[in-house]
Amino acid sequence: GESVGLHLPTLSVQEGDNSIINCAYSNSASDYFIWYKQESGKGPQFIIDIRSNMDKRQGQRVTVLLNKTVKHLSLQIAATQPGDSAVYFCAENTGGFKTIFGAGTRLFVKA
Amino acid sequence: DTGVSQDPRHKITKRGQNVTFRCDPISEHNRLYWYRQTLGQGPEFLTYFQNEAQLEKSRLLSDRFSAERPKGSFSTLEIQRTEQGDSAMYLCASSLVSAIQETQYFGPGTRLLVL
Repeated sequence: GESVGLHLPTLSVQEGDNSIINCAYSNSASDYFIWYKQESGKGPQFIIDIRSNMDKRQGQRVTVLLNKTVKHLSLQIAATQPGDSAVYFCAENTGGFKTIFGAGTRLFVKA
Repeated sequence: DTGVSQDPRHKITKRGQNVTFRCDPISEHNRLYWYRQTLGQGPEFLTYFQNEAQLEKSRLLSDRFSAERPKGSFSTLEIQRTEQGDSAMYLCASSLVSAIQETQYFGPGTRLLVL
């Protein structure tokens, strides 16, 4: 029920600050990683992706960092805005059809 | 709107009834996926199609679930004899497979509540 959603890891930041959302992935063979943003009542929305031959990729206000040694992925959001409030999922893909999603992190932006 | 669309957005049904959901992918995309998502969890893979062929089904997809993509365009997901445990958000995604990468784009989902 609703209480399951309240157990999501949560990050609370002040508007204008930078946010860092972390993710540990499971499969060392994964070669493609994606961050999705999901707002309440909506489907996941693609934000940014990175291939395993890179360790950093930048988009508009977002940066993804990949550390393959420790199987860690992070999403950095610069100058966080109230509209960034959502649940963020990292996902990994081993080059086939299957994309595996993490459990998600809920981001709250305080005005 | 050129994104993935799903219909209906919400469905309330009684246990034991059958339900059918529809997904219209992005028009040039050749792969279509169905996922199930429960509160607080990431989407879980159910099945996918490449064009009209259903190439993989998760063990989560019991024999009460069936999916079709008859002409390689829209897809339907049917759940027969619904159970309360089927209550979830059912998400559809589509992608264009290339040698470089495959990004899946999601629809808004159909939220199912089984009473």
